[in-house]
Amino acid sequence: TQLLEQSPQFLSIQEGENLTVYCNSSSVFSSLQWYRQEPGEGPVLLVTVVTGGEVKKLKRLTFQFGDARKDSSLHITAAQPGDTGLYLCAGAWGGANNLFFGTGTRLTVIP
Amino acid sequence: EPEVTQTPSHQVTQMGQEVILRCVPISNHLYFYWYRQILGQKVEFLVSFYNNEISEKSEIFDDQFSVERPDGSNFTLKIRSTKLEDSAMYFCASSEFGTGLSPLHFGNGTRLTVT
Repeated sequence: TQLLEQSPQFLSIQEGENLTVYCNSSSVFSSLQWYRQEPGEGPVLLVTVVTGGEVKKLKRLTFQFGDARKDSSLHITAAQPGDTGLYLCAGAWGGANNLFFGTGTRLTVIP
Repeated sequence: EPEVTQTPSHQVTQMGQEVILRCVPISNHLYFYWYRQILGQKVEFLVSFYNNEISEKSEIFDDQFSVERPDGSNFTLKIRSTKLEDSAMYFCASSEFGTGLSPLHFGNGTRLTVT
């Protein structure tokens, strides 16, 4: 089992603030995905990053893949209450047909 | 938009009983997965399935677990003799091209409670 550590585990911020969530592993990913999960639902894909150093933007969310493809970050600008949820990174290695999820960051945005 | 559907949404069973969790993946997807999430914990990989056979499985997926694609639309997870620690949300997922190449589409899960 591959280990992906996310930090922080919990984050509670005021509406309008910025935040960054980190995902780290000692292994090199072939690709990394970020998902968001709301209570009572399955994870929903936000983005996939494949190339080291890659940056992708999704409205107020910016995703970065580390140059060595061992880490990734998710930055949210001007957080809104609708951003509240569990953010999960998930990594794929080599040709294996599995996807391992990180420990998760539970974000609460207070109005 | 097509979606993965899971039934039942909630299953309560007694320890030692067999349970079958059912999933209908997205119709043109070829890769299927089961994950579980114990309350408050991480999403854990159980098994992946492609071309009518298991392609990967985790150490959690022991001989008490089995998967089957009995027809062209369903994908099932069977737990032969449930234990208390099997209580969790079980998520089915499917993808078109496999992990890393395409996203996993998840169902809304089956909450299994073993008493």
